Amino acid sequence: EVQLVESGGGLVQPGGSLRLSCAASGFTFSSYSLGWARQAPGKGLEWVSAISSGGDTYYADSVKGRFTISRDNSRSTLYLQMNSLRAEDTAIYLCAKGGAAGVREADYWGQGTLVTASS
Amino acid sequence: DVVMTQSPLSLPVTLGQPASISCRSSQSLVHSDGNTYLSWFQQRPGQSPRRLIYRVSNRGSGVPDRFSGSGSGTDFTLEISRLEAEDVGVYYCMQGTHWPYTFGQGTKLEIK
Repeated sequence: EVQLVESGGGLVQPGGSLRLSCAASGFTFSSYSLGWARQAPGKGLEWVSAISSGGDTYYADSVKGRFTISRDNSRSTLYLQMNSLRAEDTAIYLCAKGGAAGVREADYWGQGTLVTASS
Repeated sequence: DVVMTQSPLSLPVTLGQPASISCRSSQSLVHSDGNTYLSWFQQRPGQSPRRLIYRVSNRGSGVPDRFSGSGSGTDFTLEISRLEAEDVGVYYCMQGTHWPYTFGQGTKLEIK
């Protein structure tokens, strides 16, 4: 059974940093693309970043230069380093596993971790 | 970015009746590899998204056959043949052809 468990969210002041983690199990982690999407309170879904099985990275313009996605295949864990956080980054952050063609057809999602950027 | 527009945004349906959600993209979703990366997700209250349909019309693992997807180019549809109580939630279309991948605004499906 595929499981994705996010952690690392919390309350941070604007300008601060957080590192999110997504622990994966139930599939061959190194073989799949992974990604992070977010959902602001009461709002829809927005892709934030993705990383291929080979380590190629992709970012939404809204987070480029501030967020860094990475993966540790030995630990089956996906990360999102978030710096210079803004109030508009407040959201539930969900990790997703890519399907056969990558996260363009993401097939499993975690429950998410809440990030609140507020003073 | 590709804008995904869903309609309706709210959909009250009687149990046992069909439901249909439309999704339109601001540009063609045909990828250079020939595939069309349009997916549909269901998000029940308090839960993470569940993939129902990928590549326009392929049902995901364990998805009941009352869910079907159709369409091409820029116009797509999700249909539920007979609504069941467990189908209540918000439904999103998502394009995976052009990065950043984008979602529709969501359609809230409820029991009438």
